[in-house]
Amino acid sequence: EVQLVESGGGLVKPGESLTLSCAASGFSFSNAWMTWVRQAPGKGLEWVGRIKTKTEGGTTDYAALVKGRFTISRDDSINTLFLQINSLNTEDTAVYYCTTVKGPFEDYFDYWGRGTLVTVSS
Amino acid sequence: DIQMTQSPSALSASVGDRVTITCRASQSVSSWLAWYQQKPGKAPKLLIYKASSLESGVPSRFSGSGYGTEFTLTISDLQPDDLATYYCQQYNSYPFIFGPGTKVDIK
Repeated sequence: EVQLVESGGGLVKPGESLTLSCAASGFSFSNAWMTWVRQAPGKGLEWVGRIKTKTEGGTTDYAALVKGRFTISRDDSINTLFLQINSLNTEDTAVYYCTTVKGPFEDYFDYWGRGTLVTVSS
Repeated sequence: DIQMTQSPSALSASVGDRVTITCRASQSVSSWLAWYQQKPGKAPKLLIYKASSLESGVPSRFSGSGYGTEFTLTISDLQPDDLATYYCQQYNSYPFIFGPGTKVDIK
């Protein structure tokens, strides 16, 4: 059974940094493209970025709004995906979901974690 | 970037009704469109991919159609369990934009 478990969210102050984790199990993590999607309270879904497999260079792509502040990485030895967020601002307040990408260049999301809430407030 | 719109933004229907949600893209996305269902307080769930392919385990009352810039999600026999917000998402090109969502309520 595929499982994705996000962690690392919480209350942070504007300007601070945070790293979210997503522990994956039940599938071949090293062969999977992965994505982060976020959802601000009461709002819709926003694609944040994706990471390809190490075999494909571990290439990352980001939404324009977060490029330069967000960094997606992966550690295949522990089946874990990361999202580092720098210079947090109140607009980053959201539930952050980790998802699997169906396949290379099939960027739809077939498995989702339950999400972790990041609240940015002074 | 490709922009996505959905209509209506919300609807209320009775159990057993046929419900149709429309998703439009600002430029062609071919068949590269997915639909998700998000129940209150839960993570989204994939329903449809490639515009009309039903994800494994999804009830057959859900169906998708369309090509290019206009797509529809149909729930043929609305059930109480279908109370949710439905999102379309294009994956023709990066960035992979979601539609704003359609909230489905049960009368």
